[in-house]
Amino acid sequence: AQSVAQPEDQVNVAEGNPLTVKCTYSVSGNPYLFWYVQYPNRGLQFLLKYITGDNLVKGSYGFEAEFNKSQTSFHLKKPSALVSDSALYFCAVRDPSRNSGNTPLVFGKGTRLSVIA
Amino acid sequence: DSGVTQTPKHLITATGQRVTLRCSPRSGDLSVYWYQQSLDQGLQFLIQYYNGEERAKGNILERFSAQQFPDLHSELNLSSLELGDSALYFCASSVGVAASSGANVLTFGAGSRLTVL
Repeated sequence: AQSVAQPEDQVNVAEGNPLTVKCTYSVSGNPYLFWYVQYPNRGLQFLLKYITGDNLVKGSYGFEAEFNKSQTSFHLKKPSALVSDSALYFCAVRDPSRNSGNTPLVFGKGTRLSVIA
Repeated sequence: DSGVTQTPKHLITATGQRVTLRCSPRSGDLSVYWYQQSLDQGLQFLIQYYNGEERAKGNILERFSAQQFPDLHSELNLSSLELGDSALYFCASSVGVAASSGANVLTFGAGSRLTVL
C-alpha cells in the first residue's frame, strides 16, 4: 500500500532563512509525488509535483522539492522564508504502477510551518 | 477561487442527525473526490467518482454515502452523526480518471466544516 510520512508536526524558521519540510514515501513502484499548502480557513492549494525527469522540481511561490529515490524522500525547500509562507503543508503520493486514475492521492498528516519575523 | 464550490461552509448539528454536503467541480473536471480532515487523523480519502460512477473507495463509514449526478456535482451524505464526525470535509476535482491522468493535479474546494454537538 502507498503511504507518506511527514516526520515533523511543526517547523519553525526565521524569516529570510532557508526552510525544509520533510516527506518520505512508500510505494511499490516509482511514485507520483505532490506538495500542497493549506492556509487558514482555505482549501488545499497545489504547489508542485514530481512525475519523472529532473529530481529537482520547482513550483509556486519560490518553493522547490527534491526527489531522492534512494532515500524515498521528497523534501520541500525554499531558499528564503517569508512570514506569509506560514501555513500547513501536505505531502501526497500516488502509485502509478496501479491504475493511477483510480488510485487515490494519499496525504501525509501535514507539517505546520511557522515563519517568525 | 479554485473553481470548486462547496456548500455549506459551516454546519452545526446534533448527534443522530443527517446532513448533506454539496460539491460542484471545476468546469471541465469529471472526477470528484471527497476527503475528511480531522485533527487526529489528518486528511483521509473517503471516495472518488468519475462521470457519475464510483471509482475508488477509502475509509468511508457505512453511515456515509455519496453520489455524483449527471451535471457532475456531487453530494456527500452523512447520517446517524456522532461527535467524532466533526471535521472539515473537502471536495476536490480533477480532469480524468484514466491511467495516464494519475499525474493530474487535484483542485480543492474551501471545505465544509461540520460540527456535531
